[in-house]
Amino acid sequence: AQSVAQPEDQVNVAEGNPLTVKCTYSVSGNPYLFWYVQYPNRGLQFLLKYITGDNLVKGSYGFEAEFNKSQTSFHLKKPSALVSDSALYFCAASSYGAGSYQLTFGKGTKLSVIP
Amino acid sequence: DTAVSQTPKYLVTQMGNDKSIKCEQNLGHDTMYWYKQDSKKFLKIMFSYNNKELIINETVPNRFSPKSPDKAHLNLHINSLELGDSAVYFCASSVTTGELFFGEGSRLTVL
Repeated sequence: AQSVAQPEDQVNVAEGNPLTVKCTYSVSGNPYLFWYVQYPNRGLQFLLKYITGDNLVKGSYGFEAEFNKSQTSFHLKKPSALVSDSALYFCAASSYGAGSYQLTFGKGTKLSVIP
Repeated sequence: DTAVSQTPKYLVTQMGNDKSIKCEQNLGHDTMYWYKQDSKKFLKIMFSYNNKELIINETVPNRFSPKSPDKAHLNLHINSLELGDSAVYFCASSVTTGELFFGEGSRLTVL
């Protein structure tokens, strides 16, 4: 069974500083990995994905994530945090079977960017 | 121009009642899902439909019955509502490479 771990419930960072939100995964076979962001009272929005290719993936709003196969990690990063980045971030891993993708989500990490 | 739309956005009802949530996507995707987000923000898949056929049916009580009249619609009907059903229910659809597009959620409160 696949699983996703986000070890931090909350990450606090000062505006302008770099941010990292951690994620590790356990998937049999080649992983499909995703990051989503959820703002209060909103649905989840897709940020970026890794399927194959370069280990550094660039996504929306200046976010990027680094796939590390040996450490089974897919940490989300941004060089300079904005207050508007404050939200709940979910890492997800996917396997494909029987005609659909079954996405397993981590428990989420609340990011607070302090002005 | 909403890609995945759900109605209603808020639903407050009494225990024992039956209610439905509707979902429509205009993205042309073949696969649609229902997810439940509990009070701790944990997301769990409930159902997945591919081209109107049920693909995934996680351990969900029989009181929950999804229906897909066509590949653009996936509705969720819940019978005999219980307090523990209170949650936010998200509909989503997916492309062939797996990323999901979510609706804005339907917040169900059972009193």
